[in-house]
Amino acid sequence: EIVLTQSPGTLSLSLGERATLSCRASQSVSSGYLVWYQQKPGQAPRLLIYAASSRATGIPDRFSGSGSGTDFTLTISRLEPEDFAVYYCQQYGSSPVTFGQGTKVEIK
Amino acid sequence: EVQLLESGGGFVQPGGCLRLSCVASGFTLRSSAMSWVRQAPGKGLEWVSVIYSGGSSTNYADSVRGRFTISRDDSKNMLFLQMNSLRVEDTAVYHCAKAVAWNDEVRWFDPWGQGTLVTVSS
Repeated sequence: EIVLTQSPGTLSLSLGERATLSCRASQSVSSGYLVWYQQKPGQAPRLLIYAASSRATGIPDRFSGSGSGTDFTLTISRLEPEDFAVYYCQQYGSSPVTFGQGTKVEIK
Repeated sequence: EVQLLESGGGFVQPGGCLRLSCVASGFTLRSSAMSWVRQAPGKGLEWVSVIYSGGSSTNYADSVRGRFTISRDDSKNMLFLQMNSLRVEDTAVYHCAKAVAWNDEVRWFDPWGQGTLVTVSS
């Protein structure tokens, strides 16, 4: 199965700053089949991005995804207070689907 | 509004069993693939099982195959997970989620329920 490694483990940033989160796969993710989720404490994960770069319904345009092959990135252009959370990537190009271990974005 | 609400979690000894339930609202379960995804305390996410629309086709993670059974009752808009022979390593929050699927493969999950905690310990 494909192993996804997210980095950094924790990102400490201030409001208004740009966040860049990385997700690296142990083998190529076919067709860019990768999604990103956001999870806040005690809440369900929320879909942000699918197909590596397509925003889900209702997701603000400050969230963007990019990448292909083994390297993918989630970028939050200007951090808002509600963006401080844990972010997970998940690949669906190979069965079984697998998740990264998460990146926590915290307030500096 | 699409919502998923899980129940049935609790404390159980190793070797025991539990049955989780998930009730869906805001959409018709009948036409949807549905999954269970778990999250061990302080850990990441792990896909557990999927049941496709129609209910005849299912799939499981290797870690639970032969011990867990996913099922659905479309008339009640409900999803279930029967968990037998529970192990300490099954301790997690179990989320039900609507699965986006095609060609009989799970792709991603949207939306998710908040989850129900299963604790397996002696």
